[in-house]
Amino acid sequence: EAGVAQSPRYKIIEKRQSVAFWCNPISGHATLYWYQQILGQGPKLLIQFQNNGVVDDSQLPKDRFSAERLKGVDSTLKIQPAKLEDSAVYLCASSFHRAYEQYFGPGTRLTVT
Amino acid sequence: SQQGEEDPQALSIQEGENATMNCSYKTSINNLQWYRQNSGRGLVHLILIRSNEREKHSGRLRVTLDTSKKSSSLLITASRAADTASYFCATDGGNTDKLIFGTGTRLQVFP
Repeated sequence: EAGVAQSPRYKIIEKRQSVAFWCNPISGHATLYWYQQILGQGPKLLIQFQNNGVVDDSQLPKDRFSAERLKGVDSTLKIQPAKLEDSAVYLCASSFHRAYEQYFGPGTRLTVT
Repeated sequence: SQQGEEDPQALSIQEGENATMNCSYKTSINNLQWYRQNSGRGLVHLILIRSNEREKHSGRLRVTLDTSKKSSSLLITASRAADTASYFCATDGGNTDKLIFGTGTRLQVFP
């Protein structure tokens, strides 16, 4: 079974630039999550999708972050404009059901200079 | 907001020894999960324990849950160098299925 795919794996941008991350979840998983993990901390949920719809985006900085899930499968997370404090690893995860274990992708390490 | 707090923050042991790490949380839960993260394999789910369960085993892993104390422990028996990683507990909010991760325990197992 293929795992959660993410791209790119690494990205370096200057502050005020924009960046986009892509995620392809495990086939058949209805729930998709985006997390931000700052060095030395645990992952923090940014947004949770159930199929096409947003379940929770309470911790998404909506003035600069946006996310969508196309046709209930792939998802993109965008940051525009980026700030220095956005430097982190962005993790995508999926699960068969909202209350089940989550499967994580390898993450995208973002460095904002 | 931080729901789970792991203790200790860091742990160093020799191969063959047991490793125990603890997690405390603040609000009621439906389930608690443990994850492992290392540079090679990313974040991997280890075990899920539901609020009505007290103990669960998976291979060399044993997880206990005490809902009256709002705490859980993860025991790794006969540790190996490959167990070197950060270990996180994650809880739902009780009335939500949003997972909230703790700050993690960094385990170093020396050969």
